[in-house]
Amino acid sequence: QVQLVESGGGVVQPGKSLRLSCVVSGFTFSTYDMHWVRQAPGKGPEWVAVTSYDGRSKYYADSVKGRFTISRDNSKNTLYLQMNSLRTEDTGVYYCAREVEDYVWGFMDVWGQGTTVNVSS
Amino acid sequence: EIVMTQSPATLSVSPGERATLSCRASQSVNSNLAWYQQKPGQAPRLLIYDASTRATGIPARFSGSGSGTEFTLTITSLQSEDFAVYYCQYYNSWPPWTFGQGTKVEI
Repeated sequence: QVQLVESGGGVVQPGKSLRLSCVVSGFTFSTYDMHWVRQAPGKGPEWVAVTSYDGRSKYYADSVKGRFTISRDNSKNTLYLQMNSLRTEDTGVYYCAREVEDYVWGFMDVWGQGTTVNVSS
Repeated sequence: EIVMTQSPATLSVSPGERATLSCRASQSVNSNLAWYQQKPGQAPRLLIYDASTRATGIPARFSGSGSGTEFTLTITSLQSEDFAVYYCQYYNSWPPWTFGQGTKVEI
């Protein structure tokens, strides 16, 4: 079955870095655009970043632009999020999500279970 | 930037009753609207896309309607497993993938 499994979260001090990973299975990873979406405690989801199926196009929310980098390794069925210069407001659960096929900037039809990032001194 | 506003923030409903959730966009999103369900400790789950199309495996008691700026998610005959938070999200125009703040459906 389709699965997305995130890892790499943890407790980190402000200003430090963290890299999240999302390993997928059950579908042809290399043909799907993929997203990172985060959710602060008690808040709604917030879109963070997207990469095209081939990694050539990437877009970011203004709140993370210049600090976060999304990437993918299609040979390893893995999506990454490199997070630098972390701030306390980056705290939350980070989900990887698959974008539906055949849409331009479409909705997310499959989500991972999330990994928790806590930025705290 | 398009802002999505959901109402009410909390909806108290008894099992077996009908729940009606609203989502308003600050400008037209045509029918490019999705609804997600989220239970505590879980990821959001896609319920509805294109404003009114049920995702795979979603029961028929969930229905979506609307277009432009006004949208509704209706849950007929609420089951115990339906008590959760529901989010609307628009897509297909930049900046995309903006979520509403959510409606909590509680007993």
